[in-house]
Amino acid sequence: DGGITQSPKYLFRKEGQNVTLSCEQNLNHDAMYWYRQDPGQGLRLIYYSQIVNDFQKGDIAEGYSVSREKKESFPLTVTSAQKNPTAFYLCASSIGFGVSEQFFGPGTRLTVL
Amino acid sequence: KNEVEQSPQNLTAQEGEFITINCSYSVGISALHWLQQHPGGGIVSLFMLSSGKKKHGRLIATINIQEKHSSLHITASHPRDSAVYICAVRFQETSGSRLTFGEGTQLTVNP
Repeated sequence: DGGITQSPKYLFRKEGQNVTLSCEQNLNHDAMYWYRQDPGQGLRLIYYSQIVNDFQKGDIAEGYSVSREKKESFPLTVTSAQKNPTAFYLCASSIGFGVSEQFFGPGTRLTVL
Repeated sequence: KNEVEQSPQNLTAQEGEFITINCSYSVGISALHWLQQHPGGGIVSLFMLSSGKKKHGRLIATINIQEKHSSLHITASHPRDSAVYICAVRFQETSGSRLTFGEGTQLTVNP
C-alpha cells in the first residue's frame, strides 16, 4: 500500500529537549510538507521541500529544522528554541510542487512537559 | 491578505439531515480543496475544484468563482460523517502548491 507514515503517534518530551518527528512516503512524490495544527486554527506551514536536497521555510519556521536527504523521507526537528511546541504535526506530500493536491500522514501529537 | 473563512465553526445534525458547510476566500484562486479530518487526526482529500460542481456518493462540492465562495453538501447525513471538514485554497499569487487552510468545521451527526 502506498502512503505516508508518521511515527510515533504520540510523543512526550521535557522542555528544553530537541525532538525529531519522522515522515516517510512511498508514493514517489517529489514535494513534501510539514504543518502544525493548533485548536481553533487552520493548518500552518512550517517547512516544505520541492525536491530532494532542497527545502524552504514556510510561515512559522522559527524553532524548527528539516532535512531532505532522501526522496522518501522528510524529518522535522522541533528544537528548544520553539516557544510553544505542544501541537499536532502533520506531514504531507504531492506529486510535484506545482500540483496542489496533497496527501496527508496520520499525524504526530507532541506534548512538551 | 489572503484569507479563508469557513462557516459554521460547529454544526450538529440529526441523522438523515442535509448539511451545508461554507467556505469564502479573499482573492483569486487556482484551486480549492475540501478535506476531511477524523477524530484520530488523519486527513483525507474529498474534492479538488477549480470551477463548477463535483459529486462523490453523498457528498457534493460546488464553487462560485465570481463570488469567491464554495459549499460542501452532505445528503442523508450519517453518524460516520462526524468529522472536521477543512477548506483549503491555492491562491493564484502563491507559488507552487502552497495551500491556505480554513479553521475547519466540526460536524457532529447524532443517530
